[in-house]
Amino acid sequence: AQSVTQPDIHITVSEGASLELRCNYSYGATPYLFWYVQSPGQGLQLLLKYFSGDTLVQGIKGFEAEFKRSQSSFNLRKPSVHWSDAAEYFCAVGSPPGSYDKVIFGPGTSLSVIP
Amino acid sequence: DTGVSQDPRHKITKRGQNVTFRCDPISEHNRLYWYRQTLGQGPEFLTYFQNEAQLEKSRLLSDRFSAERPKGSFSTLEIQRTEQGDSAMYLCASSQGILFFFGQGTRLTVV
Repeated sequence: AQSVTQPDIHITVSEGASLELRCNYSYGATPYLFWYVQSPGQGLQLLLKYFSGDTLVQGIKGFEAEFKRSQSSFNLRKPSVHWSDAAEYFCAVGSPPGSYDKVIFGPGTSLSVIP
Repeated sequence: DTGVSQDPRHKITKRGQNVTFRCDPISEHNRLYWYRQTLGQGPEFLTYFQNEAQLEKSRLLSDRFSAERPKGSFSTLEIQRTEQGDSAMYLCASSQGILFFFGQGTRLTVV
C-alpha cells in the first residue's frame, strides 16, 4: 500500500535561510510524487510534481524537489525562504494513470519563518 | 472563477443533526474526490467518483456518511447524526488525470 512519511512535524527557519523539507514514500513501483502547500484556512495548492524524467523538478514560488529512488525520498528545497512561505507543506504520492488514481498525503510539516 | 468550489465554507451544527456539503468540480473533470482533514494532519481519502459512479469508499466513511454525484457533475457529501469526532475540514478535489485541483474546503464544527 502507498504511504508517505514526513519526519519533521514543525520547522522554523529565518527569513533568507535555505529550507529542506523531508519526504519518504512507500510504493511498489515508480510513484507519482507531489508537494502541496496549504496556508491557514485555505485549500491545497500544488507546488510541484514528479512523474518521470529529470529527477530534479522545479515548481512555483522558487521551490524545487529531488526524487531519489534509492532513498525513496522526494525532499523539497528552497534556497532562500520568504516570510510568506510560512504554511503547512504536504508531500503526496499517487498511482500512475491506468490504475486507481488515488493520492495519499503525508501528515504535513508546518513551516514557521522568523523575520 | 473556474476552480473547484465548495459550499458552505463553514458549518456549525449540533451533535445528532444531519449536514450536507456540496462540491462543484472543474467542469471538464470526470473524477471527483472527497478528503477529510483534521487539525495537524494531512488530508485523508474518503471516497472517489468517476463520472457518476462511486468507485471506492474508505473505511473512514462510516454508514453515517453518504456521497453522491448524480449527474456526474456536482457532488454532495451528507453526514447523518453528526458526532463531535466528525469535526474537520472536508476537502473536495477534481481531476482529469493525476493532477488534482482542490477546493477551499468546508470546515465542520460539531458542538
